[in-house]
Amino acid sequence: GIQVEQSPPDLILQEGANSTLRCNFSDSVNNLQWFHQNPWGQLINLFYIPSGTKQNGRLSATTVATERYSLLYISSSQTTDSGVYFCAVSGGTSYGKLTFGQGTILTVHP
Amino acid sequence: GAVVSQHPSWVICKSGTSVKIECRSLDFQATTMFWYRQFPKQSLMLMATSNEGSKATYEQGVEKDKFLINHASLTLSTLTVTSAHPEDSSFYICSARKEGHMNTGELFFGEGSRLTVL
Repeated sequence: GIQVEQSPPDLILQEGANSTLRCNFSDSVNNLQWFHQNPWGQLINLFYIPSGTKQNGRLSATTVATERYSLLYISSSQTTDSGVYFCAVSGGTSYGKLTFGQGTILTVHP
Repeated sequence: GAVVSQHPSWVICKSGTSVKIECRSLDFQATTMFWYRQFPKQSLMLMATSNEGSKATYEQGVEKDKFLINHASLTLSTLTVTSAHPEDSSFYICSARKEGHMNTGELFFGEGSRLTVL
């Protein structure tokens, strides 16, 4: 199956800093999503982005499918951005069977 | 977006009992739903695919007799953990996607259900 690697595993920032999270995947994908898991465990959809670039407020994401990676940008980070960020992909005919990366634990200090 | 809801949010049970978790798509129909499990400080792992009107398909290593899945309608899938043991304690999360040619493949997740088996 598809392998998903996220980096860095941990990231500590001061409020206001910018950051880039990376997701590498091992095969072509038909679905790539970024999630933020809040302290209660709920997965918040950030982006559905199997290719291209999207922006939503302080967050943006880019997926370069031909090179098998995706980047999540967080600008002007806030303490509420803290949590775990997951990249998840599916490939082939497995549209709903997401494979998750190990996540990036983001901590933003005031 | 789309709303997927799970119930209960958390449950504590005694070893040997069975626990049922419900997953509902509130504003769309889903012929397929997916169940994931997440152990503390780990990532999510797909357990099974729930198919409306037919048997679920399980990922390798997941015991189908322990984790019973029933997709009774286009908006409801249930996961029953039978004869639960402490090692089954985990966070169980379901997901679904809006289907149809006008919709993308984006998956939406429920709030999750935290199971603790004493």
